[in-house]
Amino acid sequence: NAGVTQTPKFQVLKTGQSMTLQCAQDMNHEYMSWYRQDPGMGLRLIHYSVGAGITDQGEVPNGYNVSRSTTEDFPLRLLSAAPSQTSVYFCASSYSYGSSYEQYFGPGTRLTVT
Amino acid sequence: SQELEQSPQSLIVQEGKNLTINCTSSKTLYGLYWYKQKYGEGLIFLMMLQKGGEEKSHEKITAKLDEKKQQSSLHITASQPSHAGIYLCGADMGDNYGQNFVFGPGTRLSVLP
Repeated sequence: NAGVTQTPKFQVLKTGQSMTLQCAQDMNHEYMSWYRQDPGMGLRLIHYSVGAGITDQGEVPNGYNVSRSTTEDFPLRLLSAAPSQTSVYFCASSYSYGSSYEQYFGPGTRLTVT
Repeated sequence: SQELEQSPQSLIVQEGKNLTINCTSSKTLYGLYWYKQKYGEGLIFLMMLQKGGEEKSHEKITAKLDEKKQQSSLHITASQPSHAGIYLCGADMGDNYGQNFVFGPGTRLSVLP
């Protein structure tokens, strides 16, 4: 199993550009989520999905879109990049949602918006 | 405001020393997770605690959840340079299905050889 994979590993964008961060998992997990990690803030939930075709907003969803057309993939779209979106982005998945299930994390995408 | 607080923010210890990292919430936790993050990498799952008073150990790392399920501690015995990294606690706050998993800000641990 590859686990949770993310591409790209690094990205530099100019303000106003759009892009998609890719996330895929091969563990047949129902639950997938996107976090951003900023210094001193821990990880904050952007969007999550409890299954194919079902997505919802987390704590900091503004400026981001997601879709879940398959169980395996959960891309995160930045609609119009802003310097405030400079961060490290992590995708995670778990078998299901609930306190009994550990989340598996991807290696992260480091995004800089200039 | 942070729903999960961690202390200390950073820690530098000499190899072989013991250390403790704390994670505190003002609310009852429905599940408490400890993760380790090596610099520039993703998070690695360490342990999960669910019951009040529960204690788990893995190699030289022991985690406990208090009886009220509002505080957890992570204790490392005889620290080694391989223990260096950022330790994050995460918790299911139990309020809203799917979206109430939060993380603490992390504790940065350095172990000097």
